[in-house]
Amino acid sequence: GIQVEQSPPDLILQEGANSTLRCNFSDSVNNLQWFHQNPWGQLINLFYIPSGTKQNGRLSATTVATERYSLLYISSSQTTDSGVYFCAVIGGTNAGKSTFGDGTTLTVKP
Amino acid sequence: DTEVTQTPKHLVMGMTNKKSLKCEQHMGHRAMYWYKQKAKKPPELMFVYSYEKLSINESVPSRFSPECPNSSLLNLHLHALQPEDSALYLCASSQGPPNTQYFGPGTRLTVL
Repeated sequence: GIQVEQSPPDLILQEGANSTLRCNFSDSVNNLQWFHQNPWGQLINLFYIPSGTKQNGRLSATTVATERYSLLYISSSQTTDSGVYFCAVIGGTNAGKSTFGDGTTLTVKP
Repeated sequence: DTEVTQTPKHLVMGMTNKKSLKCEQHMGHRAMYWYKQKAKKPPELMFVYSYEKLSINESVPSRFSPECPNSSLLNLHLHALQPEDSALYLCASSQGPPNTQYFGPGTRLTVL
C-alpha cells in the first residue's frame, strides 16, 4: 500500500516563530488532508489539498503531486497550535482507504 | 463544533461484556468510517461504509462488528474484547471516498 512519511517527528518552537511540516507519499493520491489533533483527541480538518496551494489565516499548505510531497506552514505560532499534526492520503488504487502518517508533535512554548 | 457525534465519550468494559459505540452525522454524507488510535500512534482504518457497501481492514478481529442502520448512523458492536483493544475509537464521514473526511470527537475505550 501507499507509504506516508512525516517530518520532523517532533518540533519545539517559541511563540511567534514560523514552522514547516513535511509529508512525503509513495504513490499518486486522490486525496490529501492535513489534520490537527488536539490534546482531547479531536481531529480537526486543516486542509483538503490533493494538489496546489491553500491558505487559511496563519496556516497554509502546498501539495506538489508530481513530486509526491505536501508542506504545511504555520506562521506566528501560538501555544494553542500545540498538538499532533497528521497528513492523511487516499491513494489512486486504495479503494477509498486512507493512510495516515505518523504525525509531527508540535510544542509551542510561551 | 463537529457535525459528527459519537457516544459514549468514555467506556470501561470487562472482557466478557458486550457494548456498542454509536456515531451519527447530519451532513448527508454517503460514507462513514471507523478508526482505532492507540496512544502516540496515528489513526488506523478499521471499516468503511460507502454507498451501503462495507469494506473491512482484514487485520481487524471479528470481535469488532460494524452496523449501518441508515446512512446517518454507524455503530460498532464490541464483544469479548481484550485489554490491547483499549484505544481511542474515531468515527468519520465524507461525501464518499476520496472526499474530505470529518471526524467525531472519539470514544475512549478501556478494556479491563
